[in-house]
Amino acid sequence: EAGVVQSPRYKIIEKKQPVAFWCNPISGHNTLYWYRQNLGQGPELLIRYENEEAVDDSQLPKDRFSAERLKGVDSTLKIQPAELGDSAVYLCASSLVWGAQETQYFGPGTRLLVL
Amino acid sequence: KQEVTQIPAALSVPEGENLVLNCSFTDSAIYNLQWFRQDPGKGLTSLLLIQSSQREQTSGRLNASLDKSSGRSTLYIAASQPGDSATYLCAVISGGSEKLVFGKGTKLTVNP
Repeated sequence: EAGVVQSPRYKIIEKKQPVAFWCNPISGHNTLYWYRQNLGQGPELLIRYENEEAVDDSQLPKDRFSAERLKGVDSTLKIQPAELGDSAVYLCASSLVWGAQETQYFGPGTRLLVL
Repeated sequence: KQEVTQIPAALSVPEGENLVLNCSFTDSAIYNLQWFRQDPGKGLTSLLLIQSSQREQTSGRLNASLDKSSGRSTLYIAASQPGDSATYLCAVISGGSEKLVFGKGTKLTVNP
């Protein structure tokens, strides 16, 4: 069974440019998460989707970040415009449903460098 | 606000040694605690999940314990191997928060 797929794996852009990340969760997983991991830190949740609905986006910087999961499967995370401080690894994860017993399965991440 | 701390930040051991990684959290009202492994350039892999009502979980050479009242967890790795080299992350889901809060991780190096 395929795991969580993310693309691109690496992205280098200049500040003020837009960038988008794509995630395909494990088939059948209703819950999808986007995390940001800064160097030397643990991941921090940006947004959680239950099917198409964003149920927790309290940590998403809404002035420049946006996300969508239109059909309740794939998801896209966008930054516009990017800033130097956005350099990080962006991780996508999925789980069958949301629950304390549910394991989250992580993708390999997209490593973003903003110059 | 829940905070998770992992000590040590880095650990280097010879192959075959038994070792313990430590995790502490400030708010004991948690739903569960998880240990993850992260290899360079890769995502996280869940190793063990301990429910708040449980005291420990075991998988192969790994054993994780949870002491909710003291806000501590340990990950015990028996007979370490070079393939165990990775960063180990501890994370908790707090009551009322509904999200995983991670520590910064412990970078483990097992030398042949």
